[in-house]
Amino acid sequence: GQNIDQPTEMTATEGAIVQINCTYQTSGFNGLFWYQQHAGEAPTFLSYNVLDGLEEKGRFSSFLSRSKGYSYLLLKELQMKDSASYLCAVRDERDSSYKLIFGSGTRLLVRP
Amino acid sequence: AAGVIQSPRHLIKEKRETATLKCYPIPRHDTVYWYQQGPGQDPQFLISFYEKMQSDKGSIPDRFSAQQFSDYHSELNMSSLELGDSALYFCASSLGLGNYEQYFGPGTRLTVT
Repeated sequence: GQNIDQPTEMTATEGAIVQINCTYQTSGFNGLFWYQQHAGEAPTFLSYNVLDGLEEKGRFSSFLSRSKGYSYLLLKELQMKDSASYLCAVRDERDSSYKLIFGSGTRLLVRP
Repeated sequence: AAGVIQSPRHLIKEKRETATLKCYPIPRHDTVYWYQQGPGQDPQFLISFYEKMQSDKGSIPDRFSAQQFSDYHSELNMSSLELGDSALYFCASSLGLGNYEQYFGPGTRLTVT
């Protein structure tokens, strides 16, 4: 089965940098995803990592270490609109359906 | 660009009633996933379809059933509704099973009273 852990809540200041960690244990691994979700809205895709290393996309970067079962999402130049939940999700290579298994999410509060 | 469409957006039902949720994937997308998200919880996979065939099944109660039609839209049928079924129901679509990105619809908020 899969076990995905993220911090429940984090607080950061506008303009700062914040790192949201995610650790996972899966029987198989076929990619790690980060989604942003505002309350009551649909998750929106942020990033995808399947190989070790850093993927950068604008203010957001995501890192993966498969040997450590570890990923982080880095948000730079925080804006108030970045206040949201950030969901880490993994895909199991044994799953022919490629469904996503989500962690509980990290609620990020950005303060002025 | 066209996105995933879900209807209705909000639904209020009483216990033991039935409900049907509809999902219209992005044009040309042939894969649909259904997720259930309870209050303060992460999305939980229910069921998926690829090319009109069920491709996987998760923690979906026997009271629920779903199918994907010839135009690739999907419907989630829920019977004998319980209070615990109150949740956000998301549909996501992708182009093929191997495509890494799943695009989520806006969700249907189901409230069972």
